[in-house]
Amino acid sequence: QVQLQASGPGLVKPSETLSLTCTVSGGLITSSSYFWGWIRQTPGKGLEWIGSIYYSGSAYHNPSLKSRITMSVDTSQTQFFLELRSVTAADTAVYYCARLEASPFHFGVLAYYMDVWGRGTTVIVSS
Amino acid sequence: SYELTQPPSVSVSPGHTARISCSGDALPKTFAYWYQQKSGQAPVLVIYEDNKRPSGIPERFSGSNSGTMATLTISGAQVEDEADYYCYSTDTSVELLNWVFGGGTKLTVL
Repeated sequence: QVQLQASGPGLVKPSETLSLTCTVSGGLITSSSYFWGWIRQTPGKGLEWIGSIYYSGSAYHNPSLKSRITMSVDTSQTQFFLELRSVTAADTAVYYCARLEASPFHFGVLAYYMDVWGRGTTVIVSS
Repeated sequence: SYELTQPPSVSVSPGHTARISCSGDALPKTFAYWYQQKSGQAPVLVIYEDNKRPSGIPERFSGSNSGTMATLTISGAQVEDEADYYCYSTDTSVELLNWVFGGGTKLTVL
């Protein structure tokens, strides 16, 4: 049974870069069937999809965050990563990593959904 | 930006049927998914591709999607079903792919 665990610094200063790691166990991060993604949850905005990455490095990004995020994968360590630049208090959230499964094309629309979630890690942006 | 709209709260008595709605303009042409989140825990997928149940999810959970409304139905709700429920779907209003969650519905079973 695949498991994911997000980890990060806990506290980040405004304007700095938030770096998070997700460690995958019990499954292959190089599986051709899945993307790997990040989601965050804030009291004000609820759940927000951040982005998703394939083991090859192909990625999808939330358009509202695209300019500030970089995602990467280390297949040898079965880890994937998120960097969020120029953080503000609005980036304070619980950050989750997840495995994403693809749905069949439906009316020509592509969809990926989170079928396995890791425990979240809390990030507070404060000076 | 695209929004999926859910009622903030729904209440149901144990053993009765709870229905949670999710409305969105793109739902006629996109799949709806549903997540259950209990306090302090990560979300869990309970319905995918409108009406499919993942392994391990009780049969009392079902989903439908018609027009601009997707619905999660819990038939014979149990106390342990008390949680927040979120719908999730594709935003087709932008050129770049984007996926969004509804604002969540707090289900109270009492």
